[in-house]
Amino acid sequence: LAKTTQPISMDSYEGQEVNITCSHNNIATNDYITWYQQFPSQGPRFIIQGYKTKVTNEVASLFIPADRKSSTLSLPRVSLSDTAVYYCLVLWGTGGFKTIFGAGTRLFVKA
Amino acid sequence: GAGVSQTPSNKVTEKGKYVELRCDPISGHTALYWYRQSLGQGPEFLIYFQGTGAADDSGLPNDRFFAVRPEGSVSTLKIQRTERGDSAVYLCASSATGQNTGELFFGEGSRLTVL
Repeated sequence: LAKTTQPISMDSYEGQEVNITCSHNNIATNDYITWYQQFPSQGPRFIIQGYKTKVTNEVASLFIPADRKSSTLSLPRVSLSDTAVYYCLVLWGTGGFKTIFGAGTRLFVKA
Repeated sequence: GAGVSQTPSNKVTEKGKYVELRCDPISGHTALYWYRQSLGQGPEFLIYFQGTGAADDSGLPNDRFFAVRPEGSVSTLKIQRTERGDSAVYLCASSATGQNTGELFFGEGSRLTVL
């Protein structure tokens, strides 16, 4: 299972774009990159998943360079409600099996 | 439809007691996961079921922990002779096999406090 490294915490202000980068140097060919968001007293919530290049949905964008050794979650124009912990995961295939979470990145959005 | 439901939401018990935590997954989801989360940490994998069988139980910390899913739907996590170190939020998640994303759907967790 590929190990991931991401910043422990980040601060931002409302309306700014936030980019959280995750390193996964030993990612394997069949691995997908997945991000989850967790608010206090709730379970994690799936945000986005990608294999290469760029993926965008209504919540975020995921940028993956050609070597796939890192990925960047981009949150456009954050609001106070985006304050949460964000987890980067590398999964064999598109998921299932043993899904391992790291410590995540605590994002604080200030007014 | 309903999401993943976990009961109880809070459980306070004394050291040495037996505890059961229940998880009702999303209807039709064949995969079910249990995680444990301590304050300030990410979820720690415990066990993964595919249908009725435990496909991977390598995360169970010791033989005091056991989980079942007899009919391939509801699952129960059982903790014997609880210890203070077992205090944590126990999260359950489910997913549909064969889907195109790795999306796990989590419940809100059962907070266990061992006094």
